[in-house]
Amino acid sequence: EVHLVESGGELVQPGGSLRLSCAASGFTFVDYNMGWVRRSPERGLEWVANIRLDGSDKYYVDSVKGRFTISRDNAKNSVYLQMNSLRAEDTAVYHCVRVSGWGRFDAWGQGTLVTASS
Amino acid sequence: DIVMTQSPDSLAVSLGERATISCKSSQSLLYSSNNHNYLAWYQQKPGQPPKLLIYWASTRESGVPDRFSGSGSGTDFTLTINSLQAEDVAVYYCQQCYSLPYTFGQGTYLEIK
Repeated sequence: EVHLVESGGELVQPGGSLRLSCAASGFTFVDYNMGWVRRSPERGLEWVANIRLDGSDKYYVDSVKGRFTISRDNAKNSVYLQMNSLRAEDTAVYHCVRVSGWGRFDAWGQGTLVTASS
Repeated sequence: DIVMTQSPDSLAVSLGERATISCKSSQSLLYSSNNHNYLAWYQQKPGQPPKLLIYWASTRESGVPDRFSGSGSGTDFTLTINSLQAEDVAVYYCQQCYSLPYTFGQGTYLEIK
């Protein structure tokens, strides 16, 4: 069974940084692109970033470009999201997702809550 | 960016009846080289993450009951749930995976009448 378990979310002041982690199990990690999707009452579901299976290409929504960095460690079956210069509007539950086909998300973690507030 | 618009925002349907949710995209999601529409539907139950129900507009994900069906092409799509069951209470989202940035509809809350 596919499992994605996120960690690292917490309360942080605007302008601060956080690193989210996602541990994957139950499938061959190196065969899949991975990503992050966030969910908030104000913005609904919003795709944040994707990374190719070998880490060669990374894609971001415009609102996080230059502030967030997605990475992966295939030896550890893990994907990460480094978030810098956090803003109040980044407050959301961040879900780690497995990407199938051309951008559908066929497995989701439970999510980790990031709150950017003073 | 492709804008996804769902209707209605909320819907109440009696048990055993049919529920229909509409999703419209601001540009075509049909990829002409393979004739696939890059449109997915998700179900999010309370306290759970979203779950993929349908992709390519009409292909059910493995394990999804056949009372869930998707239809449409181009810019207009529909999710139909036949014989509504109590466990189908959830928020339903459409998502385009035709081009980056991937975008979602605002969600439709389905409840029992």
